[in-house]
Amino acid sequence: DTEVTQTPKHLVMGMTNKKSLKCEQHMGHRAMYWYKQKAKKPPELMFVYSYEKLSINESVPSRFSPECPNSSLLNLHLHALQPEDSALYLCASSQVSGSIYNEQFFGPGTRLTVL
Amino acid sequence: QKEVEQNSGPLSVPEGAIASLNCTYSDRGSQSFFWYRQYSGKSPELIMFIYSNGDKEDGRFTAQLNKASQYVSLLIRDSQPSDSATYLCAVNTGRRALTFGSGTRLQVQP
Repeated sequence: DTEVTQTPKHLVMGMTNKKSLKCEQHMGHRAMYWYKQKAKKPPELMFVYSYEKLSINESVPSRFSPECPNSSLLNLHLHALQPEDSALYLCASSQVSGSIYNEQFFGPGTRLTVL
Repeated sequence: QKEVEQNSGPLSVPEGAIASLNCTYSDRGSQSFFWYRQYSGKSPELIMFIYSNGDKEDGRFTAQLNKASQYVSLLIRDSQPSDSATYLCAVNTGRRALTFGSGTRLQVQP
């Protein structure tokens, strides 16, 4: 299985809602990532988990809260978002070999709209 | 200076031609280099990766790396209209994450 899955595909939420994005991989990868991508821009790193521990937080606002329950699952909890948070949210995973993080494989993304 | 630079394009080539996409990076400690293809509204798809100086070929794609010049390129031979997409260059700078260029939009004209 060489696939990263993400649910839901689309999400519309109000600024007072709480929602979660989910990501799953069964490739045995030990690093998982959340990226945010706005239209016509490259993916922008948000968080990196390595061996289920948060290793990088790119100064993301606290209204985004990541969670890695186990080596296959990654969640992103959303609360009190702003309309400017509307974007494509991408999950990725990769192997870890010593100090080198190998090629990352992306899921299909969740298209988030904040009203 | 941006960490990873790409010409935004669009790069327009006729069907059957060779498309040449270029990327420069600023961190000499960068260890691994990736090319992703992204269709509009879809997620990035890994098409090539290269770790060592020189060329690496996979089907119609060739990645070229020159660490001395801090330059990585992607050649697409026999370009097809289905190759029309944005191509993202990504570099692993050792921070355990990728830094992406802004992408080059490729248009293959039938």
